[in-house]
Amino acid sequence: AQKITQTQPGMFVQEKEAVTLDCTYDTSDPSYGLFWYKQPSSGEMIFLIYQGSYDQQNATEGRYSLNFQKARKSANLVISASQLGDSAMYFCAMRENDSGTYKYIFGTGTRLKVLA
Amino acid sequence: DAGVTQSPTHLIKTRGQHVTLRCSPISGHKSVSWYQQVLGQGPQFIFQYYEKEERGRGNFPDRFSARQFPNYSSELNVNALLLGDSALYLCASSLLSSGRTDTQYFGPGTRLTVL
Repeated sequence: AQKITQTQPGMFVQEKEAVTLDCTYDTSDPSYGLFWYKQPSSGEMIFLIYQGSYDQQNATEGRYSLNFQKARKSANLVISASQLGDSAMYFCAMRENDSGTYKYIFGTGTRLKVLA
Repeated sequence: DAGVTQSPTHLIKTRGQHVTLRCSPISGHKSVSWYQQVLGQGPQFIFQYYEKEERGRGNFPDRFSARQFPNYSSELNVNALLLGDSALYLCASSLLSSGRTDTQYFGPGTRLTVL
């Protein structure tokens, strides 16, 4: 079973509109962390936002917010007021403790294209 | 402040050879992780080191090994290279190895091509 599932291979959004990128996860570790990264065509992974499994409130970082629904095991990224520079690949990732060692699992990514 | 640096930027090797990739973390970061990203896929976790000790390992064969030095820099070694090892190798550093402070910041990567 996939640990991190991103079901949207590609998304389009009009400039200045909001967009939601989906992510569901699966873990038995009660203390896990969820991350979103942006990867432009240059290749470098850029950290966007973090949500801990015990965090009571949804994380926000500027135009990025994380819609964390723990019971549904979903951690969707919301980008408000999209900009042309937001066009990139977006990866959802999870850190879990597996038998005493840490593992980091990334999804397959969603390619976002912002239209002018 | 300088970000995570990796060297070399690009590398071409032939099957059966050995390769060493290097990574310097952000100043003050004590944890370094290595990832392999094959074209069109998400990064695959290889190792995490914290304070020179291995704290995490992904599902990679023993041909892959790594170490962390007293200055927290790290090397990833791959022996007996296969064509399938061609990928972008990413290094990430973080303050600690758990919690919010484990937010990982990535370097630009080393593009390895195996012929």
